Amino acid sequence: QKEVEQDPGPLSVPEGAIVSLNCTYSNSAFQYFMWYRQYSRKGPELLMYTYSSGNKEDGRFTAQVDKSSKYISLFIRDSQPSDSATYLCAMSGTNNAGNMLTFGGGTRLMVKP
Amino acid sequence: DADVTQTPRNRITKTGKRIMLECSQTKGHDRMYWYRQDPGLGLRLIYYSFDVKDINKGEISDGYSVSRQAQAKFSLSLESAIPNQTALYFCATSDAREANEKLFFGSGTQLSVL
Repeated sequence: QKEVEQDPGPLSVPEGAIVSLNCTYSNSAFQYFMWYRQYSRKGPELLMYTYSSGNKEDGRFTAQVDKSSKYISLFIRDSQPSDSATYLCAMSGTNNAGNMLTFGGGTRLMVKP
Repeated sequence: DADVTQTPRNRITKTGKRIMLECSQTKGHDRMYWYRQDPGLGLRLIYYSFDVKDINKGEISDGYSVSRQAQAKFSLSLESAIPNQTALYFCATSDAREANEKLFFGSGTQLSVL
């Protein structure tokens, strides 16, 4: 079993829809949770960064962490065609990101005009 | 100009060949990383370096080697390429001085080993 599970999709939604992307994990030591967005043939870019449980909002994006359920979510409101990308969750037990991060496999999102 | 630059963007090689992927950065970060990405498997860490004199193995270092030529340059070598090393390779950097260390990625090198 993978340490971080993420549905690969693709998830196809109409423009304007609310999108919910999710990851589950098994390691209770994870405390730092990230969402990266990756456009085709580009490197991932950090979208959201949260620590421990709770919600964090940034514009149309909301990251939610439920440590008791080992479940994290990314919500996208009023989705746009420009949101079409692969979304990778990542998590760590420390705030030293690079050498301790565990990534999910990514969910491909397609937002249709 | 990109902050993290990888060359080449694409490479096709044959089994048994030695190849080098290069990464340079203008972000001034001390920490550099090499990841590979395979469909459905996410990103897996190959090697990382916290400064010029520091090299560490990651999760999947077998068959790879690295060289940190300068603070801004970190290269990845495949000594004898094999087909299951076909993947998308990413270089990344991070700044240890930040409270919440974040990764900055290059645009990747698509490697195909025939």
